[in-house]
Amino acid sequence: DVKVTQSSRYLVKRTGEKVFLECVQDMDHENMFWYRQDPGLGLRLIYFSYDVKMKEKGDIPEGYSVSREKKERFSLILESASTNQTSMYLCASSPSTGGNRYGYTFGSGTRLTVV
Amino acid sequence: AQSVTQPDIHITVSEGASLELRCNYSYGATPYLFWYVQSPGQGLQLLLKYFSGDTLVQGIKGFEAEFKRSQSSFNLRKPSVHWSDAAEYFCAVSVNNYQLIWGAGTKLIIKP
Repeated sequence: DVKVTQSSRYLVKRTGEKVFLECVQDMDHENMFWYRQDPGLGLRLIYFSYDVKMKEKGDIPEGYSVSREKKERFSLILESASTNQTSMYLCASSPSTGGNRYGYTFGSGTRLTVV
Repeated sequence: AQSVTQPDIHITVSEGASLELRCNYSYGATPYLFWYVQSPGQGLQLLLKYFSGDTLVQGIKGFEAEFKRSQSSFNLRKPSVHWSDAAEYFCAVSVNNYQLIWGAGTKLIIKP
């Protein structure tokens, strides 16, 4: 079964820590995405990548960075975690062929709490 | 600008009753349209998608959706809901080769 795997379901980190959220997909997809999801605010795109070593800012990139050294892995980095980054983080991937007609495959999410 | 509107934040339906969740989009061309479901604490799962052909599409878990170009709508339906359908449902439209625009979601509550 094809999947997107996020390394942690739950994380608790302290304010000021550097936090890494890892996402791995086994579908050979070119596109990968990081979203955060907060009650009442829906899904907000943080960053996406359409190829290895390529990245594009989404709607809310401030306070985050990303890394894509290999096609299958897309990491989200919180340089200095703050309490307002407490959220559910969702990783997704999609193939570049077909003009996005296949939609995204999502991971199970990482619920991050910053204390 | 492209947008997706799900006008109902919450919907409560009795178990066994029919369901319709509304989705309207704003997009110039013929869109690719999607419905996803999210169970509590989980990621999103694709229910169904439309990109061409028959405007009535069938999905998993007994769901279907109908694309109506004249109304810019892609409403999700199920003839008889089960308690396990309680979840949040998201409509999305593809706006280029890799980005989706998302609706705010509709939370479905099932009454026993």
